[in-house]
Amino acid sequence: EAQVTQNPRYLITVTGKKLTVTCSQNMNHEYMSWYRQDPGLGLRQIYYSMNVEVTDKGDVPEGYKVSRKEKRNFPLILESPSPNQTSLYFCASSSYVAGEADTQYFGPGTRLTVL
Amino acid sequence: QQQVKQSPQSLIVQKGGISIINCAYENTAFDYFPWYQQFPGKGPALLIAIRPDVSEKKEGRFTISFNKSAKQFSLHIMDSQPGDSATYFCAAVNAGNNRKLIWGLGTSLAVNP
Repeated sequence: EAQVTQNPRYLITVTGKKLTVTCSQNMNHEYMSWYRQDPGLGLRQIYYSMNVEVTDKGDVPEGYKVSRKEKRNFPLILESPSPNQTSLYFCASSSYVAGEADTQYFGPGTRLTVL
Repeated sequence: QQQVKQSPQSLIVQKGGISIINCAYENTAFDYFPWYQQFPGKGPALLIAIRPDVSEKKEGRFTISFNKSAKQFSLHIMDSQPGDSATYFCAAVNAGNNRKLIWGLGTSLAVNP
């Protein structure tokens, strides 16, 4: 089954404790992206990657890091989480294949609470 | 500033009624306009999309109307059902910026039985 998986689905942590949210897709997609979703603010892009070893900042990158060492994986790293990073996080991927480009496939989300 | 403006923020419709969600944009570099549907506890999923060379696209009960001159597009849900209750996001793809997806802020739709 074609899918984007995220782990963990729920996480409660404390300020300053480094954490990683994993994202993996099995569709051989080139493009991957991280979003955060907050009430009233919609979906805001944190980082994106157009292919292996190619990453770039989205609209709200402060406090986050990413890496893309393999095509299928795109982990999101919070090296020193703060309460304002409490949010719902989504990973998404898409293909550059003609006719399929621009459709983003989303993971199920990770609910993060930073105390 | 919000490049894609979506309204209303929330919408309540009776079963069998028509749900209408509107979006407006300014950037003429946008060349693809998708709508995503998100159920509680799930990630958004593509519902229907349109390119600016057509004025309307219909898939089942869902229709996108597109007005290029007014820079507006809308989602119509005919015969709305309780199962349509979800958050709907309009978006636009910028052809000139790595095809970045620009999102509206979402509309929470509740369809009463």
